[in-house]
Amino acid sequence: AQRVTQPEKLLSVFKGAPVELKCNYSYSGSPELFWYVQYSRQRLQLLLRHISRESIKGFTADLNKGETSFHLKKPFAQEEDSAMYYCALSAPSTGANSKLTFGKGITLSVRP
Amino acid sequence: DSGVTQTPKHLITATGQRVTLRCSPRSGDLSVYWYQQSLDQGLQFLIQYYNGEERAKGNILERFSAQQFPDLHSELNLSSLELGDSALYFCASSVDPSPQYFGPGTRLTVL
Repeated sequence: AQRVTQPEKLLSVFKGAPVELKCNYSYSGSPELFWYVQYSRQRLQLLLRHISRESIKGFTADLNKGETSFHLKKPFAQEEDSAMYYCALSAPSTGANSKLTFGKGITLSVRP
Repeated sequence: DSGVTQTPKHLITATGQRVTLRCSPRSGDLSVYWYQQSLDQGLQFLIQYYNGEERAKGNILERFSAQQFPDLHSELNLSSLELGDSALYFCASSVDPSPQYFGPGTRLTVL
């Protein structure tokens, strides 16, 4: 079975402070990990995927297979980063894509 | 804009009724996924279609069904609605390999 755990529901920081949103996963194979962001109950937007290893809006995330983690980090938070963040796992099988398993999500609040 | 469209945006109906939610995937995407987002359950995968065929099922109730048409758009049918079915229903689409791109969602309110 696959599972994604986001241990915190809310993270509140001041503008300019570093941010780390935690994500741990459980899966026996080689999953694909993603971070999605949702602003004010809008559509989910893809923020990062682990295989691309790129930085989007200043966010980065590294897959740590030993710790089964995929924490999202940003060195200096901005007010516009305030949103709901979801960590998600996909367990690709032969052929077409497979479903996403989401964590419960974390609300990031960046105060001025 | 991810290119995935969903109609209607909002739907208000009564218990016991039946509704149909529609999703149009991004051009070229063969896979369509349906998810339910509620306050208590979070984001839950319901069902996946790939090029017209059901590919995977998640936590989808028997009162719910879906299909994908030859033009690749998909419909999610919810019947015998209950108060607890009130939620945001998202559609996502993708092409191999991932990721999935989400539509704006349909907010269903069952009174």
